[in-house]
Amino acid sequence: AQSVSQHNHHVILSEAASLELGCNYSYGGTVNLFWYVQYPGQHLQLLLKYFSGDPLVKGIKGFEAEFIKSKFSFNLRKPSVQWSDTAEYFCAVNGAGGFKTIFGAGTRLFVKA
Amino acid sequence: DTEVTQTPKHLVMGMTNKKSLKCEQHMGHRAMYWYKQKAKKPPELMFVYSYEKLSINESVPSRFSPECPNSSLLNLHLHALQPEDSALYLCASSHRVGDYNNEQFFGPGTRLTVL
Repeated sequence: AQSVSQHNHHVILSEAASLELGCNYSYGGTVNLFWYVQYPGQHLQLLLKYFSGDPLVKGIKGFEAEFIKSKFSFNLRKPSVQWSDTAEYFCAVNGAGGFKTIFGAGTRLFVKA
Repeated sequence: DTEVTQTPKHLVMGMTNKKSLKCEQHMGHRAMYWYKQKAKKPPELMFVYSYEKLSINESVPSRFSPECPNSSLLNLHLHALQPEDSALYLCASSHRVGDYNNEQFFGPGTRLTVL
């Protein structure tokens, strides 16, 4: 069955700390991978996406993610978080050419000022 | 215009009411989606339309009735809902279902409360 697993449900960091959020997926076939962010009271926004090519992808606001095919992982990183990064982060996957996007359970990040 | 708009932003309805949620995009996308998001949970797919035809219904109860009158509009008709249907309803669109790179653009959602 297709699934997405996010390892951390809640993360608390101080400003300037480094961030890594884990995401593993189970999908039989070629995949497209996404990280979405949902700031408090706001709608889902795309942080970054991987379709093909360089497995290290850079997104908005200093975020990056690395696709490791052998580990079925797509971890999100940021070298130095800010208070404004407080939000919920969703990893998502869909099959290339497919209909359905599957979301992970989400990770709530709280950054202390 | 890279925006998906949804109306209304908030909706409160009784269990006997009939109401509709509306979604609109002008990006020329031919695939549109309805998701339901409960608090502190990820979005869950409800329906997928491709070229104005219903492609996927994720076993959604019949009290939710989707409609795609044209390529830019997507409606969700609500009737006889239950309090547990209270949630954020998200609309999304993508270029085409079946595209290799199927990135979805999300609207801000309609926050629905069923009394």
